[in-house]
Amino acid sequence: EPEVTQTPSHQVTQMGQEVILRCVPISNHLYFYWYRQILGQKVEFLVSFYNNEISEKSEIFDDQFSVERPDGSNFTLKIRSTKLEDSAMYFCASSGGRGAFFGQGTRLTVV
Amino acid sequence: RKEVEQDPGPFNVPEGATVAFNCTYSNSASQSFFWYRQDCRKEPKLLMSVYSSGNEDGRFTAQLNRASQYISLLIRDSKLSDSATYLCAVAFYNQGGKLIFGQGTELSVKP
Repeated sequence: EPEVTQTPSHQVTQMGQEVILRCVPISNHLYFYWYRQILGQKVEFLVSFYNNEISEKSEIFDDQFSVERPDGSNFTLKIRSTKLEDSAMYFCASSGGRGAFFGQGTRLTVV
Repeated sequence: RKEVEQDPGPFNVPEGATVAFNCTYSNSASQSFFWYRQDCRKEPKLLMSVYSSGNEDGRFTAQLNRASQYISLLIRDSKLSDSATYLCAVAFYNQGGKLIFGQGTELSVKP
């Protein structure tokens, strides 16, 4: 069964550093997403990507964040100048139009 | 008003009980609706889509009321393994596929 894969599963970074979270969506899906979940809180929408461009983004997705689909298969989230409050689980998801399927997430810890 | 609202629970029920989850959404342009299940520290998993005609999958029944902007999930004969957080989600495919989650309702099924 096709699945969304994310790497790394856990990333520890120092405050102020840049991190890149990687995702391989399901191959025939059209919509791609990044979500954030701070421990104990809700799944928060960051950004959706459709037709090779950002289609929607939330208030959280400010200039600190960027996404790319560099090669037609990978989908990346870059977080610049990480802050302590960026520590969270980051989920990638993809959809063919009938619900989204999630990767297992990357746990980001900023120290 | 939040885009998608759920009762956060927790719901504590005995095995075999019937439990109902409710979710309201604020944007009438919402197009597609889903229920997800999230186990502790895991990714959300798509449980079922929700249609106006109602749909059933074994012990699970989902219903959509567009006039009241309300979706529901009913679990019959609950099992210990049903313990999880249940998330409703609303999609806007005419807005680049934005998919927004409620905060989730925690269910604990006790022996």
